[in-house]
Amino acid sequence: DTGVSQNPRHKITKRGQNVTFRCDPISEHNRLYWYRQTLGQGPEFLTYFQNEAQLEKSRLLSDRFSAERPKGSFSTLEIQRTEQGDSAMYLCASSLNRGKSPLHFGNGTRLTVT
Amino acid sequence: AQKVTQAQTEISVVEKEDVTLDCVYETRDTTYYLFWYKQPPSGELVFLIRRNSFDEQNEISGRYSWNFQKSTSSFNFTITASQVVDSAVYFCALSEDPQGGSEKLVFGKGTKLTVNP
Repeated sequence: DTGVSQNPRHKITKRGQNVTFRCDPISEHNRLYWYRQTLGQGPEFLTYFQNEAQLEKSRLLSDRFSAERPKGSFSTLEIQRTEQGDSAMYLCASSLNRGKSPLHFGNGTRLTVT
Repeated sequence: AQKVTQAQTEISVVEKEDVTLDCVYETRDTTYYLFWYKQPPSGELVFLIRRNSFDEQNEISGRYSWNFQKSTSSFNFTITASQVVDSAVYFCALSEDPQGGSEKLVFGKGTKLTVNP
């Protein structure tokens, strides 16, 4: 169990640019989640996958955001035309689809939009 | 709508003191789960405990204990004999128990605990 891995750890980009983050879940976990955390707040749910299927998306996930999990393993979160309000920590988590197993979070990707 | 309130924004204690972190939740669901997570400065959220709404037994794990009271919709967390390594932000969270099995958590804003030597 190597844990949930997220890359990059930090990303600084200029407003209007596109960015993409990657998440590698724990290998046997078939559920993968994306959360966003702004300073001084708790994480907020964005979306989740069961295997390769994206089953739920939050209203927070605007049209500029897209997430994929093409082979049911790693996932990418892309933000197009970034805005300063997108600056946050983007957290990925994974879990097993049985027994209501808890979420295991990665270290996150901190995005700064200048 | 589900909501989690952690009224204490920051707490500062001296090592070896006991400290209780408060958590109050709101939900219309009869079946739900409550969680505590720890977020050290490294940023990774570390799972501490999960309780379901039907299990009101208090739980103790080493220096950690949790008090779940359905009557007051509270799920408080106590650290006994605090240590400097306990310094972190602690989050309480709530999830419904939908048929789909989503672990979509609703988090509180967190309580920053600083344990001074």
